[in-house]
Amino acid sequence: DTGVSQDPRHKITKRGQNVTFRCDPISEHNRLYWYRQTLGQGPEFLTYFQNEAQLEKSRLLSDRFSAERPKGSFSTLEIQRTEQGDSAMYLCASSSGLTIRNQPQHFGDGTRLSIL
Amino acid sequence: GQQLNQSPQSMFIQEGEDVSMNCTSSSIFNTWLWYKQDPGEGPVLLIALYKAGELTSNGRLTAQFGITRKDSFLNISASIPSDVGIYFCAGQLDSGYALNFGKGTSLLVTP
Repeated sequence: DTGVSQDPRHKITKRGQNVTFRCDPISEHNRLYWYRQTLGQGPEFLTYFQNEAQLEKSRLLSDRFSAERPKGSFSTLEIQRTEQGDSAMYLCASSSGLTIRNQPQHFGDGTRLSIL
Repeated sequence: GQQLNQSPQSMFIQEGEDVSMNCTSSSIFNTWLWYKQDPGEGPVLLIALYKAGELTSNGRLTAQFGITRKDSFLNISASIPSDVGIYFCAGQLDSGYALNFGKGTSLLVTP
């Protein structure tokens, strides 16, 4: 049983560069979520997809952030013109079902982003 | 998102002891979940709760969905060294899709 897969696991880049992360959800999970986690904090919600539709975005998702899920399977999260404050762990989660209830979210191991 | 208050912030216990931690919110949730996170890894689901008053076990772990729907508790019995990690509670609002997390309880277990 393959879990949520994220790539890369680590990314180090200079301030001002663009970065892109990929998430492959659990097979047949139609819901996909992105979270951001900083040191000493719990994950914070960024955005949510049901199939290919982006249904919810957090205020944390500034205009430098964009997420896509073009075919309703894998998703990408891009950060343009990275800033020091973007340094964090970016977590992807997926869940199944047509309703919110009774479908827990399962997380990948994240992409650790470090901005120099 | 909604602010969840998780306590204690950290615990340092001896192997074999029982552990209790809790999570409270100013808002009502319709789902409570407990996750464990090890360094450098993502959160792993431990227990999911869907009904007020529900008590659910997973091995040595037991969690309860508070009757007011504003709190949840996690108990670990007979702790072992591999229980070390950060435990997060998460609540899901009735009308939203996002999980709202607490700041975590860091558990250290000495042999």
